[in-house]
Amino acid sequence: QQPVQSPQAVILREGEDAVINCSSSKALYSVHWYRQKHGEAPVFLMILLKGGEQKGHEKISASFNEKKQQSSLYLTASQLSYSGTYFCGTERSGGSNYKLTFGKGTLLTVNP
Amino acid sequence: GAVVSQHPSWVICKSGTSVKIECRSLDFQATTMFWYRQFPKQSLMLMATSNEGSKATYEQGVEKDKFLINHASLTLSTLTVTSAHPEDSSFYICSAIGGADRNTIYFGEGSWLTVV
Repeated sequence: QQPVQSPQAVILREGEDAVINCSSSKALYSVHWYRQKHGEAPVFLMILLKGGEQKGHEKISASFNEKKQQSSLYLTASQLSYSGTYFCGTERSGGSNYKLTFGKGTLLTVNP
Repeated sequence: GAVVSQHPSWVICKSGTSVKIECRSLDFQATTMFWYRQFPKQSLMLMATSNEGSKATYEQGVEKDKFLINHASLTLSTLTVTSAHPEDSSFYICSAIGGADRNTIYFGEGSWLTVV
């Protein structure tokens, strides 16, 4: 079942922060976050494997609440290069097949 | 990180013809690759799981006779769209579980297919 992402779109000014949420109605084993620029393939940002895990990548970090079946992606002090569509991909089974179901995406636009 | 390469990046074909898209893992062996399709402004939809040396596993609603997948080696999977129709026009992306970090899934650059 497809995870639900929110918001669908967000517009920021350079330097502002944003949070993108991803929630599932099913128990999750892992959550993967990707950013996709128009016309390009998705680029891996991070994977969260454990409940309550938090990871960081430059000024982009994420959390995974296994009990709530939710993950959030945090973008701080946004840069123009952060613009793109962010997808969360969720893995439901016990990690043996890496099959991801992607949300519909969140379009992030960072303006000067 | 691990590199996954797709070819061709762009292809235009006539209705009724077949087109093959290649997905290669350049610096690692990938026993499992995935094929996705993405329509404009939509999410990535998993089409099938490609397993080296065995038949691909197709998702519900994906015609296995139309989308032929061959994973003949540990570094190459191919997707052949047979008897293509304009509605098959889409962005096709492959991914593979990569290299030293088996928890990371790397995507190829994608292939734009336009059927005229």
